[in-house]
Amino acid sequence: GAVVSQHPSWVICKSGTSVKIECRSLDFQATTMFWYRQFPKQSLMLMATSNEGSKATYEQGVEKDKFLINHASLTLSTLTVTSAHPEDSSFYICSAPGLAGNEQFFGPGTRLTVL
Amino acid sequence: SQQGEEDPQALSIQEGENATMNCSYKTSINNLQWYRQNSGRGLVHLILIRSNEREKHSGRLRVTLDTSKKSSSLLITASRAADTASYFCATAPLARYSTLTFGKGTMLLVSP
Repeated sequence: GAVVSQHPSWVICKSGTSVKIECRSLDFQATTMFWYRQFPKQSLMLMATSNEGSKATYEQGVEKDKFLINHASLTLSTLTVTSAHPEDSSFYICSAPGLAGNEQFFGPGTRLTVL
Repeated sequence: SQQGEEDPQALSIQEGENATMNCSYKTSINNLQWYRQNSGRGLVHLILIRSNEREKHSGRLRVTLDTSKKSSSLLITASRAADTASYFCATAPLARYSTLTFGKGTMLLVSP
């Protein structure tokens, strides 16, 4: 089946620093990838849709300048949390749709802790 | 916005029992999907049911969809301790069927 990886799996950083999270589709190409955020014991909130070769589409309320998304190739999307603050601490998960475009394949997630 | 609402929020059962989780949603959909998430991990796709389908089976999973009531149910039969996880329904809206809107999830605990 389709595999999506994320790196790093966890990261701890100081307030004010920027953190980059990578999402890769390992055995298939993904022109679209999705980035979600999940707080403890809560649901996934779609943050943005990453589009290969064009600008990302952000959901309402998500700061574009805060969460920079780059989809540089058909297998890689990156999410950069700029000037991270403790309230940005969360579990960030990416996904990519399968060939049929219906089900999504999720990465294992990245746990971000900002001190 | 989260339009799916799962019920119950938490469910605790014994191995061998059946587990039923319900999901309600608000807008018209292209399809509805169920995902499973083990603690601190990514999500695994379980089953997809299209808006023109009423019931679907996959192994020990049975999903129903009632578009008139905008609701779905996931039944796990003969549960096992390994089924312990959070279960989320996700809807693919008609207007943006490539995106998913997740419900709040049901935490299932299956005790040996």
